[in-house]
Amino acid sequence: ETVMTQSPATLSMSPGERATLSCRASQSVRNKVAWFQQKPGQAPRLLIYGASTRATDIPPRFSGSGSGTDFTLTISSLQSEDFAIYYCQQYNNRLPYTFGQGTKLEI
Amino acid sequence: QVQLVQSGAELKKPGASVRISCRTSGFTLTNFYFHWVRQAPGQGPEWVGIVNPNGGRPTYSQELQDRVSLTSDTSTSTLYMELRSLKSDDTAVYFCVRVHDFGHYDYWGQGTLVTVSS
Repeated sequence: ETVMTQSPATLSMSPGERATLSCRASQSVRNKVAWFQQKPGQAPRLLIYGASTRATDIPPRFSGSGSGTDFTLTISSLQSEDFAIYYCQQYNNRLPYTFGQGTKLEI
Repeated sequence: QVQLVQSGAELKKPGASVRISCRTSGFTLTNFYFHWVRQAPGQGPEWVGIVNPNGGRPTYSQELQDRVSLTSDTSTSTLYMELRSLKSDDTAVYFCVRVHDFGHYDYWGQGTLVTVSS
């Protein structure tokens, strides 16, 4: 099973700042990484797939990069609605698909 | 539009079973694979299993394989998850998720809270 490790666990930022969230896989997952945003009481929302492709209707301030084992989600200028929990997930060929433990982005 | 609508919250006693439904619309069920994912309070999501409404055996997580069953009803475009011999550790929100052709999750159900408590 591929373990996904996210850092930091909590990130304290201010609106307008640039946020960088990291995710490391325990073995190569090529570019098969997705990023999700989750707010309380809601299902996760897809932001990025294929490590760097924005999902439909996701604003351009969200960007993803990386391949192999190291991945990054960057939010270029934080808006108030961006404060949430972010999860990375690998969906490389083998099951199970696995998630990181999350990064809480707080004001 | 694509929708996955799950059944409502459940309160169960330890040892009981629960069955959750996920009614889909806006697309052809048999054109996609589906996963089930659960999320315990304050935890990250955990993969439960995969089902192909076109046929073939589902695949389950090692932890749950003896207690979980995933099925589909193509006549009603509905997916089902049954979990047996419930334990308090099974308390979680359970989600059905559609898998895009590229392999990533693109649409989620709204989630069903299952609470296991005596």
